[in-house]
Amino acid sequence: SQTIHQWPATLVQPVGSPLSLECTVEGTSNPNLYWYRQAAGRGLQLLFYSVGIGQISSEVPQNLSASRPQDRQFILSSKKLLLSDSGFYLCAWMDNSYEQYFGPGTRLTVT
Amino acid sequence: GQQLNQSPQSMFIQEGEDVSMNCTSSSIFNTWLWYKQDPGEGPVLLIALYKAGELTSNGRLTAQFGITRKDSFLNISASIPSDVGIYFCAGPPSGTYKYIFGTGTRLKVLA
Repeated sequence: SQTIHQWPATLVQPVGSPLSLECTVEGTSNPNLYWYRQAAGRGLQLLFYSVGIGQISSEVPQNLSASRPQDRQFILSSKKLLLSDSGFYLCAWMDNSYEQYFGPGTRLTVT
Repeated sequence: GQQLNQSPQSMFIQEGEDVSMNCTSSSIFNTWLWYKQDPGEGPVLLIALYKAGELTSNGRLTAQFGITRKDSFLNISASIPSDVGIYFCAGPPSGTYKYIFGTGTRLKVLA
């Protein structure tokens, strides 16, 4: 069966510090991968998605970037965090039926 | 950009009551999916719809794919306390792998 991992679960970072969140999927090959951010009490904002290794589509460029160095690995990064980057970050993979499955999420607080 | 609008934004209902919510889009979707999110977790898939006019059930949940392909509806019958959460419609706009979520309907059930 397929599983999706995200880490860390929680993170507190000062403004201006770098960020790296990792997501890995097991049990499937060549999945479509997605990064979302959710502010408190709000909906899911699509940040990036990838249909293959090295292929990244950006929806919200700002100060975030994403990379897919391996088939089942998706990384979200920032060189300098802003206060507005605080939120709940979710990684998901999509199967051939357009069904998405989410990781446990990372709660990021920028102070 | 594309947006999925859900209504109502929130609902307070008595246990045992039926619930209806809907989702509308300005563009055509070939697939509609409904998810439920509990606090602190990622969304979980409830129902997937793949054909205009399709009516699909999953236990007490029933969802319909609108004929125009620009809307979808979710009904919950005989609500119970564990139905509490945020319900999202979602999907990829026709011809894309981009995946967007609706604004959400927050459901609270009073025992």
